[in-house]
Amino acid sequence: SAVISQKPSRDICQRGTSLTIQCQVDSQVTMMFWYRQQPGQSLTLIATANQGSEATYESGFVIDKFPISRPNLTFSTLTVSNMSPEDSSIYLCSVQTGETQYFGPGTRLLVL
Amino acid sequence: KQEVTQIPAALSVPEGENLVLNCSFTDSAIYNLQWFRQDPGKGLTSLLLIQSSQREQTSGRLNASLDKSSGRSTLYIAASQPGDSATYLCAVKGNTPLVFGKGTRLSVIA
Repeated sequence: SAVISQKPSRDICQRGTSLTIQCQVDSQVTMMFWYRQQPGQSLTLIATANQGSEATYESGFVIDKFPISRPNLTFSTLTVSNMSPEDSSIYLCSVQTGETQYFGPGTRLLVL
Repeated sequence: KQEVTQIPAALSVPEGENLVLNCSFTDSAIYNLQWFRQDPGKGLTSLLLIQSSQREQTSGRLNASLDKSSGRSTLYIAASQPGDSATYLCAVKGNTPLVFGKGTRLSVIA
């Protein structure tokens, strides 16, 4: 199993600003995943982050808007840039160990 | 493109009832299917994972079944309790990353 922590747990931000979300895992993992859950919707994968290489973004998500860092095997950050109210969501970090995927507690973001 | 549908979207039952949540997926070429629980405003807790070669998995009062050929899975919850109240999400893993359904919001009334 894996225990994942995220910071901050929630934030309220102004339009046009940026927020960096941190994800820490209690074990070394190859891939870390970042998801978004918009209000009333299910989870959508933003990108997959491998240590030592560029993140791989899903269709509809771009690096300029959601830059990701992966400096080591237990840590990653996701930045939500130039925020608009449409970015209000829960952002979740996830890892896979064996066949099972585990999720962090999420970061609840409200953009005014 | 894989699509995952969960029915019903919401369910309210009295405490003690047995219940079934449904999940269907359009592409049967999956590696596994995972059921998660999400409490309001929180992250996801993994409940059960079924490999594509398996028919069912059990954990305590939970039993998940998988019929890959028909693209269906069910999550059976026995003797429901108010603490089971949450949103239950189904997700399938194929050649793409996990694809999620929208979930079933369960309320168990004491």
